[in-house]
Amino acid sequence: GAVVSQHPSRVICKSGTSVKIECRSLDFQATTMFWYRQFPKQSLMLMATSNEGSKATYEQGVEKDKFLINHASLTLSTLTVTSAHPEDSSFYICSARRQENSPLHFGNGTRLTVT
Amino acid sequence: GQNIDQPTEMTATEGAIVQINCTYQTSGFNGLFWYQQHAGEAPTFLSYNVLDGLEEKGRFSSFLSRSKGYSYLLLKELQMKDSASYLCAPLDSNYQLIWGAGTKLIIKP
Repeated sequence: GAVVSQHPSRVICKSGTSVKIECRSLDFQATTMFWYRQFPKQSLMLMATSNEGSKATYEQGVEKDKFLINHASLTLSTLTVTSAHPEDSSFYICSARRQENSPLHFGNGTRLTVT
Repeated sequence: GQNIDQPTEMTATEGAIVQINCTYQTSGFNGLFWYQQHAGEAPTFLSYNVLDGLEEKGRFSSFLSRSKGYSYLLLKELQMKDSASYLCAPLDSNYQLIWGAGTKLIIKP
């Protein structure tokens, strides 16, 4: 089955620092990658949609200058949380799909704690 | 608007059968996915229906009626490890997945 790798799985950082999260599709080329955030006991919230070689499309309310997304290749997307604050502490999950009507395959998620 | 309706929580007994219903309203429709999400983990893909009818995959089956905007996930021979949230997610006309809050399934011995 399709495999999406996400690193790191867990990170603790100090307020004001930046954190980079990597998402790789290991055995398929992903035309589109998605970044989600999930707070405890809440639904998945789409943050942005990323297509290889073009700028990410951010959902309403998501600051593009704070959550930098780079989709450098068909197998790699990165999310950088800049100047992190405690309220950014959350579970960040990436996902990828081969084409529009293909299933989304998720990475294992990154649990970010900002102290 | 776009809307997903699933029960918030269900309880079932180990070894039994449970059906999780989902009704949806979307702008266009390009199929419907079911995902399983254990607490603290990322979702995993279970099934995809694009045509009406039943898709069976081992202990799990998923049904779709496009005219009724309705789907269900059927879990047979329930095991304790099936305790998780189950997410119904239709694909709209722009191929965007619409996520509901999911159904938390509790399995009791």
